[in-house]
Amino acid sequence: AQKITQTQPGMFVQEKEAVTLDCTYDTSDQSYGLFWYKQPSSGEMIFLIYQGSYDEQNATEGRYSLNFQKARKSANLVISASQLGDSAMYFCAMSFYTNAGNMLTFGGGTRLMVKP
Amino acid sequence: EAGVTQFPSHSVIEKGQTVTLRCDPISGHDNLYWYRRVMGKEIKFLLHFVKESKQDESGMPNNRFLAERTGGTYSTLKVQPAELEDSGVYFCASSQEALLTDTQYFGPGTRLTVL
Repeated sequence: AQKITQTQPGMFVQEKEAVTLDCTYDTSDQSYGLFWYKQPSSGEMIFLIYQGSYDEQNATEGRYSLNFQKARKSANLVISASQLGDSAMYFCAMSFYTNAGNMLTFGGGTRLMVKP
Repeated sequence: EAGVTQFPSHSVIEKGQTVTLRCDPISGHDNLYWYRRVMGKEIKFLLHFVKESKQDESGMPNNRFLAERTGGTYSTLKVQPAELEDSGVYFCASSQEALLTDTQYFGPGTRLTVL
């Protein structure tokens, strides 16, 4: 069974510093996708970044980068130059095929708080 | 382009009552998903529509939950009768295709409280 683990329930980071949010996953599938979503206090889930299991280069999107280590089954999110608006819940998720379709399985989330 | 919208944003009902949640996906997205997060637990998959067909409903907790997507546009999720353990946030997501690489775009969620 597929499983995502986020071991940091909460983290603080100083504004303008970089922060790494951990995500490890467990799957026996060769094909899967890894996603990070941000959920601010308003509640919506905002897509941040995607990494495919066959992608050899780490994904980057602006201040977000994904540190993908396939052998260790980790997909950590790195946020550079933290801003106050980065304070939110962050969810790591994995897409995989089921017998009928595909779905996302999520980790428990990490609450990031950016200090001014 | 409008994102995924959900209605209502909040619903408070008594145990035993019925509630219907609505989701409007991004225009042109054939794939529509429902997820929920109950208190203190992870976000869990409920079901997946491709157009109007239920592709996978393996995550539906029991037969008190009924999802429909008539005409392949918006979807409704009805809970009847609601129980206390149904309280949580119900998310809808949509994607253009259903490949592993396709991003699922989420709505803001409906917070359901069953008293």
